[in-house]
Amino acid sequence: EAQVTQNPRYLITVTGKKLTVTCSQNMNHEYMSWYRQDPGLGLRQIYYSMNVEVTDKGDVPEGYKVSRKEKRNFPLILESPSPNQTSLYFCASSQTWVGMGNSPLHFGNGTRLTVT
Amino acid sequence: SQKIEQNSEALNIQEGKTATLTCNYTNYSPAYLQWYRQDPGRGPVFLLLIRENEKEKRKERLKVTFDTTLKQSLFHITASQPADSATYLCALESYGQNFVFGPGTRLSVLP
Repeated sequence: EAQVTQNPRYLITVTGKKLTVTCSQNMNHEYMSWYRQDPGLGLRQIYYSMNVEVTDKGDVPEGYKVSRKEKRNFPLILESPSPNQTSLYFCASSQTWVGMGNSPLHFGNGTRLTVT
Repeated sequence: SQKIEQNSEALNIQEGKTATLTCNYTNYSPAYLQWYRQDPGRGPVFLLLIRENEKEKRKERLKVTFDTTLKQSLFHITASQPADSATYLCALESYGQNFVFGPGTRLSVLP
């Protein structure tokens, strides 16, 4: 089954404790992206990647890191989480890089992160 | 400044009626506009895409229109059912640029 898999689904952590949220897609998609979703603010892009070893900042990259060493995986790293990073996070992928209109985004089921 | 607005935060309609959701944008020149459905606790799911040179697109009970002069897209669900209750997001895509999502409209179809 074609899907984007995120882990974990729920995560509670404390301020400053490094964490990684994993994302994997099995559709051989070139483009992958991370979003956070907050009430009243909608989906905001954190980072994106157009292909292996190519990443770029989205609208709200502060406090986050990503890497794209393999095509299928795109982990999100919070080196020193803070309470304002408490949010619902989504990973998404697309066949080609967006702006071409060739394919829609496929989303994972989300990771709900709470930082205390 | 750039802005995407969706008509209202929440919309309630009776089962069987047509639901109409609005997506308005300012200071964008989108090449494509997409609509997604999001259920609570789940990721958005793609529904329809419409290009800037298309006026209307249909898929089963769904219809999307795109008016680049008015800078507006309308999303219609005909013969609505309680199972259509969800949040619906519009997303703009410009050439060479990333998606930008609207805030969403939470639709409730009442039996």
